[in-house]
Order: sequence, then C-alpha cells, then structure tokens
Amino acid sequence: SSELTQDPAVSVALGQTVRITCQGDSLRSYFASWYQQKPGQAPLLVIHGKTKRPSGIPDRFSGSSSGSTASLTITGAQAEDEADYYCNSRDSSGTFLFGGGTKLTVL
Amino acid sequence: EVQLLESGGGLVQPGGSLRLSCAASGFTFQNSAMTWVRQAPGKGLEWVSAISGSGESTSYADSVKGRFTISRDNSKHSLFLQVNSLRVEDTAVYYCVKLGFYYEGSGYWTFDYWGQGTLVTVSS
Repeated sequence: SSELTQDPAVSVALGQTVRITCQGDSLRSYFASWYQQKPGQAPLLVIHGKTKRPSGIPDRFSGSSSGSTASLTITGAQAEDEADYYCNSRDSSGTFLFGGGTKLTVL
Repeated sequence: EVQLLESGGGLVQPGGSLRLSCAASGFTFQNSAMTWVRQAPGKGLEWVSAISGSGESTSYADSVKGRFTISRDNSKHSLFLQVNSLRVEDTAVYYCVKLGFYYEGSGYWTFDYWGQGTLVTVSS
C-alpha cells in the first residue's frame, strides 16, 4: 500500500524559515493537507490544496508541491509553532493516508 | 461554529466492543462526509474509516476492516463507530473529523474540522 514519509524531527531558530517535507507516490495525483498538533490537543488544519490557509492560520504558513513531494514552509517561525506536523492525502484506492509526523522544535 | 463532540470511549477487555458517538453542530451535517481518525499513545495519526453524507458509501483501513462499522444518523446529526473484536493495538484516542470537499483546479478532500477525541483503552 502507499505511504507518506516525513522526517521525524526538524529544528529551526526563532524567526528563521523551516521547510517540512512529505514524500509519497499518492502526492503525484492528490493534494496534500497539513495539520498542526500541540501536546494534549486535537490536530488543526493549517494548509490544504495548493496553498490554502483556513481562517485564522497565519500567513507565515505556506504549502507547495513538486512531483511526489509536498512541503510545508513556515517563514519566520515563532515559539508557538513548536508542534507535531502531519501531512495527509487521498490514496489511489480511495482511502486516506497520513505521514508519520514531524516534530518541530523552535530554538 | 463547527463543533464535534465524541463520546463512548472507555476501558474494555480484548475481544470486547464499544460504540463511539460524535455529536455534530454548526454545519449542514447531511451534506458532509465524515471520518474517524485514531492516535495511539505517543504515536502518529491513523485514518480509520469514512462515510458519505448520505451514509450509502463507506470505507475502512485494512487494520479495522471487518471489525469496525461506521454509520450515521442525519436526523440526529450524529456519527457512530461500532468497534468490535478489540485488540490491545486498538488503544488510541479516536477523533471524529469532518471531511471538507474543496476545488482548486481539481476537487479534493481535506480533514477540516476535528473533535477533541475519545480515549479507547483495550487491556485485560
């Protein structure tokens, strides 16, 4: 079955730019979505489609995609951005996939 | 404001059953596909099951197929997940999630609103 692969952990200095990536064959056919999850909270949608941000999500969050790789970029990372980030997409069988998650540390 | 409130979790022995419920409000429930996602303690997100707005179409992850059944009652704005033959590895927080359909050149689904989850613990 298809998989979505993410780096387990990434760090960024406060105010700098970080890119979190997600790789998988399904991304050649389907958009990725990105979710932020802080400890003890439910996930929150931050990016979907080509680079759509739900209401209330800061514009420092953006998305992009090329081939089998989707990326979430945070431009000017803030302390409150420290969280786990998950990508997901539809699968060719009509089901859904999640990446394993990336733990973002803001230094 | 979209609200999703799960209930029905608890401690159950291996082989046991539970019925998880999700009360939805703040959107046109009967027009919205819904899904369940789970998260084992300290682990990542795992998609479990989805159902169309009418309830006529359902899908399941291979890990739960044949054991879990998703359903909905549109008259009561409620989503359900019947979980049978539970295993220790089914221990997780189960999230009720609204599926949104968007269009940007082509149509796609995204998990746009999440409940706070209900914990299912399978242990003897």
